[in-house]
Amino acid sequence: EVQLLESGGGLVQPGGSLRLSCAASGFTFSDYAMNWVRQAPGKGPEWVADLKSRDGSTHYADSVKGRFTISRDNSKNTLYLQMNNLRAEDTAIYYCARDGPSRPWDYWGQGTLVTVSS
Amino acid sequence: DIQMTQSPSTLSASVGDRVTITCRASQNINTWLAWHQQKPGKAPKLLIYKASNLETGVPSRFSGSGSGTEFTLTINSLQTDDFATYYCQQYNSYSWTFGQGTKVEIK
Repeated sequence: EVQLLESGGGLVQPGGSLRLSCAASGFTFSDYAMNWVRQAPGKGPEWVADLKSRDGSTHYADSVKGRFTISRDNSKNTLYLQMNNLRAEDTAIYYCARDGPSRPWDYWGQGTLVTVSS
Repeated sequence: DIQMTQSPSTLSASVGDRVTITCRASQNINTWLAWHQQKPGKAPKLLIYKASNLETGVPSRFSGSGSGTEFTLTINSLQTDDFATYYCQQYNSYSWTFGQGTKVEIK
């Protein structure tokens, strides 16, 4: 059974940093592209970043470019999101999601809440 | 970025109804469109990909159609479990973007 389990969320002050983790199981992690998607309270989802499996290329939403870094450790079956210089508008539930075979985001984790506030 | 616009924002319907949700893209996305269902406090769930392909395990009462800039999600014979918010999402070009959502409520 495919499982994605996020962790690392919490309360952080503006300008602070946080690293999120997503532990994957039930599939060959290294074979799949992975994403981070966030959802602010009462809003729709917003794609944040992805990391391809074939060439390791990364892409970011303009809203986080230069501040967030997506990475993975295939030996640990874990996806990461390093978030620096956090802003109030980064407050959201952060989900990791797997790109399935010929389809986007076929599995999602349960999410981890990040709150940026003084 | 490609803008995705859904209509209606809210839809009131009864069990057994047929409902249709529309999604429009600001530019041609071919058939690179997915539909996700989200219930309160839960992660979104993939229903439809490549505009009309039903994800494994999704009931056949869900169907998708369209190409280019106009897409629809249809739910035939609405069930209690289908009351939720539905989002379209384009994956034609970065940045992947979502519609604002359509909440299907009990009439």
